[in-house]
Amino acid sequence: GQNIDQPTEMTATEGAIVQINCTYQTSGFNGLFWYQQHAGEAPTFLSYNVLDGLEEKGRFSSFLSRSKGYSYLLLKELQMKDSASYLCAVRDWGNNDMRFGAGTRLTVKP
Amino acid sequence: EAQVTQNPRYLITVTGKKLTVTCSQNMNHEYMSWYRQDPGLGLRQIYYSMNVEVTDKGDVPEGYKVSRKEKRNFPLILESPSPNQTSLYFCASSFNRDRNTEAFFGQGTRLTVV
Repeated sequence: GQNIDQPTEMTATEGAIVQINCTYQTSGFNGLFWYQQHAGEAPTFLSYNVLDGLEEKGRFSSFLSRSKGYSYLLLKELQMKDSASYLCAVRDWGNNDMRFGAGTRLTVKP
Repeated sequence: EAQVTQNPRYLITVTGKKLTVTCSQNMNHEYMSWYRQDPGLGLRQIYYSMNVEVTDKGDVPEGYKVSRKEKRNFPLILESPSPNQTSLYFCASSFNRDRNTEAFFGQGTRLTVV
């Protein structure tokens, strides 16, 4: 099985940088995803990591350390529209299905 | 436009009255799944389908049924809804179940069972 842990809530200031952590335990790691979900809306894909290191995509970056069972999502130059929940999801070799963490609700303040 | 469409968006029903939530995707995806989302618990998978006529249970299948008669459609059926099935439901699809294929989600169905 999998345990996926993320902080429940975070608050940051517009223009700042915020890092959202995700730790996981899995029997056979096969990829990690980050999704963004605005309140009452569908999750949308942000990033994918399967090898160790940093993947950068505009203002968003995602990092993975497989040996530590750890990932983070880094959001730079925060904007008010970045207020949303951020979901960490892990695939494992066993059934290749995604398992989601409970999500981190980020509030960006002026 | 590539999308996953769920209907209805909102539904209030009474205990025991059978209902169906429809899901359709226009991306020719093989893999489709249903999730429910509850506060503090995140998205939990109910059922999934790897292709037409192939379905299997996810983590929380009790009280739900699905079918996959056509590639584009994957309805979720609640034969006898109960209040503990009050939740936000999402349908998702992806090209297949390979490791690097992202999932596309429908807009969600908020179900209340009274």
